[in-house]
Amino acid sequence: EIVLTQSPGTLSLSPGERATLSCKASQSVTSSYLAWYQQRPGQAPRLLMYAASSRATGIPDRFSGSGSGTDFTLTISSLEPEDFAVYYCEQFEASPRTFGQGTKVEIK
Amino acid sequence: QVQLVQSGAEVKKPGASVKVSCTTSGYTFNDYYVHWVRQAPGQGLEWMGWINPDSGRTEYAPKFQGRVTLTRDTPISTAYMELTSLRSDDTALYYCARTYIAAAGTDYWGQGTLVTVSS
Repeated sequence: EIVLTQSPGTLSLSPGERATLSCKASQSVTSSYLAWYQQRPGQAPRLLMYAASSRATGIPDRFSGSGSGTDFTLTISSLEPEDFAVYYCEQFEASPRTFGQGTKVEIK
Repeated sequence: QVQLVQSGAEVKKPGASVKVSCTTSGYTFNDYYVHWVRQAPGQGLEWMGWINPDSGRTEYAPKFQGRVTLTRDTPISTAYMELTSLRSDDTALYYCARTYIAAAGTDYWGQGTLVTVSS
């Protein structure tokens, strides 16, 4: 199975700062098969990005994704209060689908 | 609007089975795969499998093969996840979610169903 490793585990930042989250795969993942999710406390995950760099419906443009092969990045250009949450990457290149362990973006 | 509404919380004893429902509305049920993902308390997300409501075809994660069964009732636009031989480490929030094709991001999720396994 493809293992996704996210870093850092926790990111402590202030509103308005830039957040850069990493997702590394144990083997190559086609960009089309990589997604990012946001999960706020007590809520279900929400799709942010699909195909590594395409924003899902209703997602603001401060969110962007990039990467290819084994290295993918989610960037939040300027953190808003509602962006403090846990973020997961997911691959569906190969079965079973797998998620990274998550990166928590917390208020500094 | 698209909605996936799951059944209520369950408390089960070790060795028992649980069946969780996911009732959908706001879209054509047969056009979207339904996935099941679980999240243990304070932990990350774990994919369990999917069902194609149109064909009834299923795919399961190897970890759950033999213990999980995904089914659907198309006239009532509802999908089900049954997990057998429950253990304490099956205590988790179980989510259903949909995708347009099997290999795609899940764009709508249910609210989650808490299954607690305790003697």
